[in-house]
Amino acid sequence: EVVLTQSPATLSVSPGDRATLSCRASQSVGSNLAWYQRRPGQAPRLLIHRASTRATGFPARFSGSGSGTEFNLTISSLQSEDFAIYYCQQYNTWPQTFGQGTRVEIK
Amino acid sequence: EVQLVESGGGLVHPGGSLRLSCTASGFTFSNNWMTWVRQAPGKGLEWVANIKQDGSEKYYVDSVRGRFTVSRDNAKSSLSLQMNSLRAEDTAVYYCIAAAGGVFNFWGQGTLVTVSS
Repeated sequence: EVVLTQSPATLSVSPGDRATLSCRASQSVGSNLAWYQRRPGQAPRLLIHRASTRATGFPARFSGSGSGTEFNLTISSLQSEDFAIYYCQQYNTWPQTFGQGTRVEIK
Repeated sequence: EVQLVESGGGLVHPGGSLRLSCTASGFTFSNNWMTWVRQAPGKGLEWVANIKQDGSEKYYVDSVRGRFTVSRDNAKSSLSLQMNSLRAEDTAVYYCIAAAGGVFNFWGQGTLVTVSS
């Protein structure tokens, strides 16, 4: 199965700062990668699919990039509601797999 | 508004059975693949099972195949997961998800399954 490695495990960021999260795949997944946001006490929400397509309801400060084995999620100016755990997921190869998550916390 | 509400979780002894249910609203249930994903305490997310729109195709992660059965009732917009021969490692929060093209579009809040003696 495809192993997704997210880094860093925890990212400490000040409000207003830029955050870049990484997701590396053990083999190419093309552009078939999604990102999910999980706020405390809530279920995960689809944030990005097809590596760079933002889901409905998320502002433009969220952007995804990459293809093949290297992907990034960038939050251009962190707001209080963005402090959460972010997971990447590949759906190119069965079974679909997730990364272990990156926790974005307030510095 | 899309809603997915899971129920049926609880405490069960090893070797026991449990049936999870998920009731959907706010979207056309019969148009979507449906998925169960779980998260064990302190662990990551793990895909468990998929079922096609008409129920004709079902897929399972290796660790549950033969023990878990996913089913759906499109007339009632409901999804189920019958879990038999439960093991300690099945302890997790189980999420019901509406999927499309492998992307997990909408998630329920989850239901906790604890397998312990």
